[in-house]
Amino acid sequence: AQSVTQPDIHITVSEGASLELRCNYSYGATPYLFWYVQSPGQGLQLLLKYFSGDTLVQGIKGFEAEFKRSQSSFNLRKPSVHWSDAAEYFCAVGPRAGGTSYGKLTFGQGTILTVHP
Amino acid sequence: DTEVTQTPKHLVMGMTNKKSLKCEQHMGHRAMYWYKQKAKKPPELMFVYSYEKLSINESVPSRFSPECPNSSLLNLHLHALQPEDSALYLCASSPGQGRDTQYFGPGTRLTVL
Repeated sequence: AQSVTQPDIHITVSEGASLELRCNYSYGATPYLFWYVQSPGQGLQLLLKYFSGDTLVQGIKGFEAEFKRSQSSFNLRKPSVHWSDAAEYFCAVGPRAGGTSYGKLTFGQGTILTVHP
Repeated sequence: DTEVTQTPKHLVMGMTNKKSLKCEQHMGHRAMYWYKQKAKKPPELMFVYSYEKLSINESVPSRFSPECPNSSLLNLHLHALQPEDSALYLCASSPGQGRDTQYFGPGTRLTVL
């Protein structure tokens, strides 16, 4: 069964500092990979996704993520964090092939980001 | 426009009530999803509709009954819920089921008394 691990439950950074949120997945083949962000009590907004091609993916709000097949990782990065980036971040995977799970996203447990001024 | 709307924003219901959650999208998407999210947990998939047919049911109790009356609308009918069903219910849609990006609505915060 596919699974996603976000090792850091809570990360605190200062405004202007760089950020890296970790995501590791377990899956029989390379899945589709996503990063979503959720503000308290709100829905999820897609930051970026990886389907194929260039392993460094650019997203919205200055975020990027790098897919590393050898490490089964898809870490999210931002060079300079803004106070408005404080939120919860979810890594998710989805199966490539058809079948009964096609379209089913599996989410990691989430990482809460706190930004200090 | 990549907007998915959900109504109501908040819902409080007793265990004997019948209520419905509504989700709407006008992006021409043919796949729609219901997720349940408990506090401090990730979203968990409940149902997937593809071309208005139920495609995935994640063994959800029958007190939750989904309905997809047309390609733009998705309902979740609630009956005889339990307090542990209190959660944020998220709707999402995608162009098709599978590799396409899922776009989420803001959710309905449900409290069962």
